[in-house]
Amino acid sequence: KAGVTQTPRYLIKTRGQQVTLSCSPISGHRSVSWYQQTPGQGLQFLFEYFSETQRNKGNFPGRFSGRQFSNSRSEMNVSTLELGDSALYLCASSVVATQETQYFGPGTRLLVL
Amino acid sequence: ILNVEQSPQSLHVQEGDSTNFTCSFPSSNFYALHWYRWETAKSPEALFVMTLNGDEKKKGRISATLNTKEGYSYLYIKGSQPEDSATYLCAFSWNSGNTPLVFGKGTRLSVIA
Repeated sequence: KAGVTQTPRYLIKTRGQQVTLSCSPISGHRSVSWYQQTPGQGLQFLFEYFSETQRNKGNFPGRFSGRQFSNSRSEMNVSTLELGDSALYLCASSVVATQETQYFGPGTRLLVL
Repeated sequence: ILNVEQSPQSLHVQEGDSTNFTCSFPSSNFYALHWYRWETAKSPEALFVMTLNGDEKKKGRISATLNTKEGYSYLYIKGSQPEDSATYLCAFSWNSGNTPLVFGKGTRLSVIA
C-alpha cells in the first residue's frame, strides 16, 4: 500500500507570496492532518480535514488555510508569507479519527526569503 | 494549555548501551499515548500506541511502559545500535471527542559506534 505523499518536497518563496502544498493520504484514509515543525519546536497542529470538512483547527492565523477533496487528497495554503513561516510542513493521515495512529508523509520544506 | 514534556532533549550513547527516556503528559481525560521514531530525512514512523494504565509494548529491542495515573511513559532501548539514532516523539490524545494529537518536542538520540 502506498504511503502518504506530499508535493513539492522543497519550496523557496519570498515574503508576501502565497504557497499551496499538496498531500495524498494512504488509500482508504479519510482523515488528513497538517503540522508545522520549526527548529526547537515540536510538531504544531495546523488543522484536520475529514470528508471535505475542517474538523479541527490549531492556533494559527487565518493566513493558513486548507481544503480536502472528495478523494481525500488535501491542500494547505499559506497567503502573504512571512519569514517565520519557514518550516517543515508535514501531512499525516489516519483511517477516521485524529486519535488513531497517524501516518506521516515526508514533508514539504518551505523557505521564505 | 495541554503540555507534553519529553526528557532529555538529547542523548548520546555508545553502541551497546541501553537507554531510556521519558514522556510526561496530563493525567486527566487520558485517551492514548503514542510513540514515534523520526529518522533524519524520513517520515515519522509509529512505534507504539498505548491506552491502558500499566500497558507495556515491545518491538524488537525497543519497549515502552505507560502510567496514566501519574502521567508518564518510558521508552527503553536495549543494546543501542547506530541505526537507532533518531528523534523519538511522544504524542498524547485526550478523551474529548475527535481531538488532535499533542506532540512533545522529542528526544534526539545519537548512538556512537
